[in-house]
Amino acid sequence: AQSVTQLGSHVSVSEGALVLLRCNYSSSVPPYLFWYVQYPNQGLQLLLKYTSAATLVKGINGFEAEFKKSETSFHLTKPSAHMSDAAEYFCAVSVQGGSEKLVFGKGTKLTVNP
Amino acid sequence: KAGVTQTPRYLIKTRGQQVTLSCSPISGHRSVSWYQQTPGQGLQFLFEYFSETQRNKGNFPGRFSGRQFSNSRSEMNVSTLELGDSALYLCASSLDMATDTQYFGPGTRLTVL
Repeated sequence: AQSVTQLGSHVSVSEGALVLLRCNYSSSVPPYLFWYVQYPNQGLQLLLKYTSAATLVKGINGFEAEFKKSETSFHLTKPSAHMSDAAEYFCAVSVQGGSEKLVFGKGTKLTVNP
Repeated sequence: KAGVTQTPRYLIKTRGQQVTLSCSPISGHRSVSWYQQTPGQGLQFLFEYFSETQRNKGNFPGRFSGRQFSNSRSEMNVSTLELGDSALYLCASSLDMATDTQYFGPGTRLTVL
């Protein structure tokens, strides 16, 4: 069965600094990988999705993620943090034919300091 | 195109009662999935419906059930509510395949007293 580990339940950065949110996955077959963002009292919004077309995936709001098979990682980055990026971020994995549609990590809460 | 809508947004129930939550998917989407989000367990998959049939099911007790109608709208029902059922229930819709992107609604916040 697939699983996702997000390192760091809380990450704090200064405005303008690099954002790096870590995600490692476990899957016996090629996975589909997702990053979602959740703002307070809202649902999940898709940031980006990896489907094996390209290892570097660009998403919305300046975020991108790189799929590294050798490291089983799919870390999310943004070169310069903005106050509006403060939210909780979830990494998720899905495999075709799997018994669960999406398996989520525990989430990383990002704080952006002025 | 309108997004996924969920009703009601907030709900307060007491233990032992039952509750029904509703989800309307994005127009044209045929798959609807439900997730439970709690601080302790995080996001957990409940079940998925496609063309009025349950296609996948997560590891939840039989008190949790759902259905999908011919217009792809879905409902989930929780019977004999327990305190631990307090959670944000999220609905997501996708076009078809298991690996299609899922688009989430705003959720229904259920509080069980």
